[in-house]
Amino acid sequence: DAGVIQSPRHEVTEMGQEVTLRCKPISGHDYLFWYRQTMMRGLELLIYFNNNVPIDDSGMPEDRFSAKMPNASFSTLKIQPSEPRDSAVYFCASSPNPSDASDSEAFFGQGTRLTVV
Amino acid sequence: DAKTTQPNSMESNEEEPVHLPCNHSTISGTDYIHWYRQLPSQGPEYVIHGLTSNVNNRMASLAIAEDRKSSTLILHRATLRDAAVYYCIRPDKLIFGTGTRLQVFP
Repeated sequence: DAGVIQSPRHEVTEMGQEVTLRCKPISGHDYLFWYRQTMMRGLELLIYFNNNVPIDDSGMPEDRFSAKMPNASFSTLKIQPSEPRDSAVYFCASSPNPSDASDSEAFFGQGTRLTVV
Repeated sequence: DAKTTQPNSMESNEEEPVHLPCNHSTISGTDYIHWYRQLPSQGPEYVIHGLTSNVNNRMASLAIAEDRKSSTLILHRATLRDAAVYYCIRPDKLIFGTGTRLQVFP
């Protein structure tokens, strides 16, 4: 397996534009997580899915952020409209079952570096 | 919610052992403790996890206190490639704290 795949790796956009980040989890993993990382706030959990269903989106900062998982092999994180303070590295991770310690290693993608100017 | 506490930073010389502490005083009896690390410009990667017993793998060892209120990640011989931010977390929600930034000097 190629691991968790995120695209694009880098995104530069103008304030007010819509941004869509994409993630392909590892096949067979039931859980998918979206994170945002900045120097000031560290690694923040935004939302996670179990079997394509959003379980906890309490970390999503504003209504401008939305995430979907239409099937087991694809998820998107959308920001509309984007603002300069959204500039960060966004990570996607997948896990078989984080509550089952025998099978709970999570795998992270390489991240998408978003710059909003 | 069970939180973890780690020192912000630690330093080591190459080839020396490193002991990275973590306090998790509110952890429940069935919660595993997981450790991840994040190398520069990469996503976090899994290091090791345990419940009550000490654990060893090819990357590190994990020593868990008898009362389970703390644990220590042990790198037996630090290398320059071990320079990273190390996080101890509860695995169910994969919520990361600020971690410990480890610097390794040649």
